[in-house]
Amino acid sequence: KQEVTQIPAALSVPEGENLVLNCSFTDSAIYNLQWFRQDPGKGLTSLLLIQSSQREQTSGRLNASLDKSSGRSTLYIAASQPGDSATYLCAVLIGQLTFGSGTQLTVLP
Amino acid sequence: GAVVSQHPSWVICKSGTSVKIECRSLDFQATTMFWYRQFPKQSLMLMATSNEGSKATYEQGVEKDKFLINHASLTLSTLTVTSAHPEDSSFYICSPGVPTEAFFGQGTRLTVV
Repeated sequence: KQEVTQIPAALSVPEGENLVLNCSFTDSAIYNLQWFRQDPGKGLTSLLLIQSSQREQTSGRLNASLDKSSGRSTLYIAASQPGDSATYLCAVLIGQLTFGSGTQLTVLP
Repeated sequence: GAVVSQHPSWVICKSGTSVKIECRSLDFQATTMFWYRQFPKQSLMLMATSNEGSKATYEQGVEKDKFLINHASLTLSTLTVTSAHPEDSSFYICSPGVPTEAFFGQGTRLTVV
């Protein structure tokens, strides 16, 4: 059974800092991996999708990497802003999506 | 990306009543719809998978008679929480089965009092 772990569970940083969120999964035979953002009481917004054959994807200040062999993915956020405060979830797809428990990010002004 | 509309966004109901949640795919036809539940401070857990024109598939531990799923058309799937109890209070969210990338509705916050 696929298990997805996210570390840290919570993170608080001052505005302007670069930061890295971590995601690990136990079964490397994934179809793809997706990073989402969830604001309190809201649905999920897809941030980045990495196919199993890719190693990274970039969108603006966000960069996601994927290392299937080690079962790891990272989400790098550059020059963090208070508006980045949210919970970040990673999910891997093998038949169905399996989600990590998320990292709650707070960017302090 | 796919546009998914979920209603209502929040609902408060009395214990014992039923609540229906709608999920519409606005710009494509979804033969499959995934329904998730999220308790506070926890991640999303798949409850069931609905398929247009056939019975839904429920995950282990999810009562099919309590969580009725209907997927009568390619653009609409509904989840009805029957005889709701306080322990059913949660965040429910749908996701159409798009082969390449997952998209989600806005979610429904259900509070049973």
